[in-house]
Amino acid sequence: GAVVSQHPSWVICKSGTSVKIECRSLDFQATTMFWYRQFPKQSLMLMATSNEGSKATYEQGVEKDKFLINHASLTLSTLTVTSAHPEDSSFYICSARELAGINEQFFGPGTRLTVL
Amino acid sequence: AQKITQTQPGMFVQEKEAVTLDCTYDTSDPSYGLFWYKQPSSGEMIFLIYQGSYDQQNATEGRYSLNFQKARKSANLVISASQLGDSAMYFCAMREAFDSNYQLIWGAGTKLIIKP
Repeated sequence: GAVVSQHPSWVICKSGTSVKIECRSLDFQATTMFWYRQFPKQSLMLMATSNEGSKATYEQGVEKDKFLINHASLTLSTLTVTSAHPEDSSFYICSARELAGINEQFFGPGTRLTVL
Repeated sequence: AQKITQTQPGMFVQEKEAVTLDCTYDTSDPSYGLFWYKQPSSGEMIFLIYQGSYDQQNATEGRYSLNFQKARKSANLVISASQLGDSAMYFCAMREAFDSNYQLIWGAGTKLIIKP
């Protein structure tokens, strides 16, 4: 199946700093990428949908100025957590949509963010 | 109203036994797809099986089968001959055709623990 990578796998940062997470589709072109957040023992919560070359669509309650999403190419989307605080600590997962096939979303391995 | 309901927060099953994970859904879209994903402790989301709303037969993938009962709006995952490596969180998800971005709607998940 198609491969999606995320970098970094985990990051620890100080409160007030910004953190960038990259999501790459390695062997296919992804016109749409999705960013999820997952708290321990909970389901995935969709944060935003990102289409290549256009502004991301954020879900209700997600601060777009805090979670900056850029989808500049068909293989790369980035999520930047700006001025991170401890409550932003979470597991962030991206997925990428492939145009063909029934399994349109392929998931990255996730990034565990801890804000001190 | 919940669109995807997984009523079992957790299950313990003896190794080699079959296990059924429940999933019910709610949609008014006649065209939709149902997915099951496995999430081990490492965090990656692993696609298991897909069922389209117009598929006449239940989907099967190796030890996984999907018991699709359209009239009851249920899409239970059946794992035959469970193995220790099956211990993980399992999520049921739905995609509605009218959503042009193909977003997935997620259930709360079921934590499955296989006992030796």
